[in-house]
Amino acid sequence: DTAVSQTPKYLVTQMGNDKSIKCEQNLGHDTMYWYKQDSKKFLKIMFSYNNKELIINETVPNRFSPKSPDKAHLNLHINSLELGDSAVYFCASSQELGGLTDTQYFGPGTRLTVL
Amino acid sequence: AQKITQTQPGMFVQEKEAVTLDCTYDTSDQSYGLFWYKQPSSGEMIFLIYQGSYDEQNATEGRYSLNFQKARKSANLVISASQLGDSAMYFCAMREGDTGGFKTIFGAGTRLFVKA
Repeated sequence: DTAVSQTPKYLVTQMGNDKSIKCEQNLGHDTMYWYKQDSKKFLKIMFSYNNKELIINETVPNRFSPKSPDKAHLNLHINSLELGDSAVYFCASSQELGGLTDTQYFGPGTRLTVL
Repeated sequence: AQKITQTQPGMFVQEKEAVTLDCTYDTSDQSYGLFWYKQPSSGEMIFLIYQGSYDEQNATEGRYSLNFQKARKSANLVISASQLGDSAMYFCAMREGDTGGFKTIFGAGTRLFVKA
């Protein structure tokens, strides 16, 4: 009955590799997000998608490419991984983008470690 | 300038006592939403409580209440009757924007330790 799920939970890889993180939500929400949480626990928005359409791109390097095959899925592909990409990446979803009351529901996070 | 400020990096509270976690925000919008999330050591982010900028009454959800003082731009979280399971990071967040796009901004978090 997981509402927002992410795979994998842990990802350890070498610098320069390309990797993907998958996210799925079964809440019927229209909007999905990717957040990055750094080692100091600071949580920052990376992308948001509404009905498969990119809405927010927070000046994230273009090595990061989100892909939304349908509104229930938002995957994150990262090319040429760098040490500074090590973080916990959270996927989230909300009912609709255009609302101040819009509560976001988070996935369990993916801890990415780049060696 | 920081939009969301949580001035307490860490807080201690005795089990069964109440604790207040501070949050101040900065916005020029009239309409915005304020949220609190909990992040236990297991890592997931759990939604706790929401307050709208036009809500006249403070939000409450079980043992959680939000002390909303609009003029002071503060949205403090009050946890009553603390339990050991309340030990976690707590994040204050604000949602603002318009039809051009809404964004949720998170504070740096406060780590709460509940002592037995």
